[in-house]
Parts: sequence; structure tokens; C-alpha cells
Amino acid sequence: AQTVTQSQPEMSVQEAETVTLSCTYDTSENNYYLFWYKQPPSRQMILVIRQEAYKQQNATENRFSVNFQKAAKSFSLKISDSQLGDTAMYFCAFNNAGNMLTFGGGTRLMVKP
Amino acid sequence: GAVVSQHPSRVICKSGTSVKIECRSLDFQATTMFWYRQFPKKSLMLMATSNEGSKATYEQGVEKDKFLINHASLTLSTLTVTSAHPEDSSFYICSARNRDYGGSDTQYFGPGTRLTVL
Repeated sequence: AQTVTQSQPEMSVQEAETVTLSCTYDTSENNYYLFWYKQPPSRQMILVIRQEAYKQQNATENRFSVNFQKAAKSFSLKISDSQLGDTAMYFCAFNNAGNMLTFGGGTRLMVKP
Repeated sequence: GAVVSQHPSRVICKSGTSVKIECRSLDFQATTMFWYRQFPKKSLMLMATSNEGSKATYEQGVEKDKFLINHASLTLSTLTVTSAHPEDSSFYICSARNRDYGGSDTQYFGPGTRLTVL
């Protein structure tokens, strides 16, 4: 069974600064996908970024980028130039190509003005 | 693209009644949809996997006779909470898996339904 661990229950960052959210996972699979989802106060789950395990290049989406370390089973999310709208719960998730998503416990991020 | 709707967004019902929640993929076909339950300040807990044209697969501890799932078409799955009780009050979220959009296996989520059982 896969497990996903987010070791930071809460974090805060000043507006315009950079913050990194940690995520580690455990699996015996070789082919899988990793995701970061954002859940703002509206509670709508929004896909932030996705990484295929077979790709060595780290995924980026505008201000969001990941540091994917396959050997270490680490998948951190970096948010650059933080904005007030980035305030949300962030969930790291694992999917072994076709089956269910396994979520981490979440990190609550507060962006301060 | 990859939009999922959920209806209703909020529902309040009396104990003992049944409530149906609909999940629709608006711009793609989804052979597989998922139903989650989320408690306050907690992560999502998978309840069941809904497969179009076949029976749903329930996670351990989820009563299939209480949480009825029907996936009658490639764009619609429904969750019916039968004989609801106050302990069923929660936030229910559906997702739909899209294998075509973006070139990978990704789940897209509906906006959720807040169920309150009095």
C-alpha cells in the first residue's frame, strides 16, 4: 500500500516571498503520478501541478514548481512570489496509474500581507 | 476543459430520509468516478470507486447499502445516502478521472456537497 506524508501541518509566508511545502511517499511501484491539489476556503479541490514519475524534469506551472527526487521519494512544492489567493490547504497525492489517489494529510498555508 | 459539477451544493434533511447527490463531468467522458468524504480540517477519505456500467467498489468500512452509487452514463454518477442520520453529516466530494486531458491520468474534482442531517 502506498502512503503519503506531509510533515508540515501549517505554514505561513509573507506576500511576494517563496515557500516550499514538503511531501514524501512510499511505494514499490516504478510508474506512477504525483499531484499537488489546492483547497481554498471554498473547498473546491483545484489541481495545481502534476508530475509523471518517468520524467526526470521537474514540472512547473507559472509560479508553482516541484522538486521531484524519485530515489528519495520526495515531491516538494515551491510557490514563488506568494499571493494572498494562495492561502489554502495543499494536498500532495499519489496515483499508481489507474487506481485511486492516496492523499497526504495536508498543509495549511497562510499568506500574510 | 475537465470540469466536474456536483449538485446540490448544500442539503439539509431530516433523519431517516434519503438524499441523492449528482456528479457530472461536463466536457469529458469519465468511465471512472470517485466519491470522497471530508471531515473538517482533514484530508479526503475515499468512500468508493464508481465504474460506468458496473458495480461500485467500496472501501473497507463503507456500507454499500447505506451509500448507494449508480454510474449510469459516461458523464454521471450519483451517490444516495439512504436513511440518513446525523453522523452522516459531512462534506462529500466527487471526482472524475480523465485520461485524455493533459496526457496523463488525472482526477478532477467537483465543488462538493455539504450534507446536514437534523
